[in-house]
Amino acid sequence: EVQLQQSGPEVGRPGSSVKISCKASGYTFTDYVMNWVKQSPGQGLEWIGWIDPEYGSTDYAEKFKKKATLTADTSSSTAYIQLSSLTSEDTATYFCARYDSSYIRFDYWGQGVMVTVSS
Amino acid sequence: DVVLTQTPPTLSATIGQSVSISCRSSQSLLDSDGDTYLNWLLQRPGQSPQLLIYSVSNLESGVPNRFSGSGSETDFTLKISGVEAEDLGVYYCMQATHAPLTFGSGTKLEIK
Repeated sequence: EVQLQQSGPEVGRPGSSVKISCKASGYTFTDYVMNWVKQSPGQGLEWIGWIDPEYGSTDYAEKFKKKATLTADTSSSTAYIQLSSLTSEDTATYFCARYDSSYIRFDYWGQGVMVTVSS
Repeated sequence: DVVLTQTPPTLSATIGQSVSISCRSSQSLLDSDGDTYLNWLLQRPGQSPQLLIYSVSNLESGVPNRFSGSGSETDFTLKISGVEAEDLGVYYCMQATHAPLTFGSGTKLEIK
């Protein structure tokens, strides 16, 4: 069974960084690109970017290029997103989602991680 | 970026009623490979989104067949034939034809 297990809620001070994880199981981690999606409180979905765990290649939406850094550890089948220079605008839930390139779809999603930026 | 406009923003339905949600794109979503990468997702309250439909009309495995998708180019529709209580939540369309990937603003389905 495919599962994406994300880390727990985070609280970060303005100007600091947080790093959240997404541990994959039930499939070969390097066979699928991992995407990250942001959902601000009460708002819709916003694509952040993707990482190909096999090659470490990444792509980001323009507005997240200086905000997010995507990495992956193939030894533990875990993808990470680091958010830097936190502001109140970063308070949101962050989802990882597996990307099936054969059918161009997000077929599995993590449960989401709530990041709260507060002093 | 491609803008996806969903209507209506909210929808109230009784159990058994059939409803439709529209998603209109600011650009054609027909890819150069001949496919159209428009997907539909449902986010139930307090849950992560789940895939319902991919490539306009393909039902994801395990999704009830009361859900169906149709459309082409810039106009797409999700239909629920006989709403059930578990269908409440927010429905999103999502396009993956053009970079960056974008989502519609969502349609909230409420059960009367």
